[in-house]
Amino acid sequence: ETGVTQSPTHLIKTRGQQVTLRCSSQSGHNTVSWYQQALGQGPQFIFQYYREEENGRGNFPPRFSGLQFPNYSSELNVNALELDDSALYLCASSFTGRDEQYFGPGTRLTVT
Amino acid sequence: QKEVEQNSGPLSVPEGAIASLNCTYSDRGSQSFFWYRQYSGKSPELIMSIYSNGDKEDGRFTAQLNKASQYVSLLIRDSQPSDSATYLCAGTISGGYNKLIFGAGTRLAVHP
Repeated sequence: ETGVTQSPTHLIKTRGQQVTLRCSSQSGHNTVSWYQQALGQGPQFIFQYYREEENGRGNFPPRFSGLQFPNYSSELNVNALELDDSALYLCASSFTGRDEQYFGPGTRLTVT
Repeated sequence: QKEVEQNSGPLSVPEGAIASLNCTYSDRGSQSFFWYRQYSGKSPELIMSIYSNGDKEDGRFTAQLNKASQYVSLLIRDSQPSDSATYLCAGTISGGYNKLIFGAGTRLAVHP
């Protein structure tokens, strides 16, 4: 069984730039959720994708957007990066109808 | 604002002792609760899930849920230095998709 994978591991961007983060879900899982974890805080829900559509969104501005592909992998895009976007971005996969979510290793984004 | 509250710690216990981690939540409609372990610089790892009132045991871990008091706890028996990590409590919001709301985590330090 293949676990959740994310790329890249680390990323450094400049304020105002755009970034794309990628996630492959665990085999057999069809739902992907994205979370942002600032230092010293718990993960904050950004949005969830199921059947290639956004299936719920947290309190994040529209410059955070996403995609899900037919193979259930997903992308998180952030436009107009701000310094406060510096965080660990986590992707979690799950199977519809089951509440357990399994996290990937995360992408550490630094905005300078 | 639906919240999950945890004592940030650190909680320091000697090796071999029982570590008790606690969590309260505000959303009375939450049905499912989870404990994740997060080592420094790593992503959260699911260690326990609990859905109904009472106790659930898995090896050295016991999760307890009291929906009337809106209280979740995790007991770690025979604590080991390798248990030293941040423990995140999470619950699903009521209704709709399985978005997780996390507490800020409790840092556990097990000393030899």
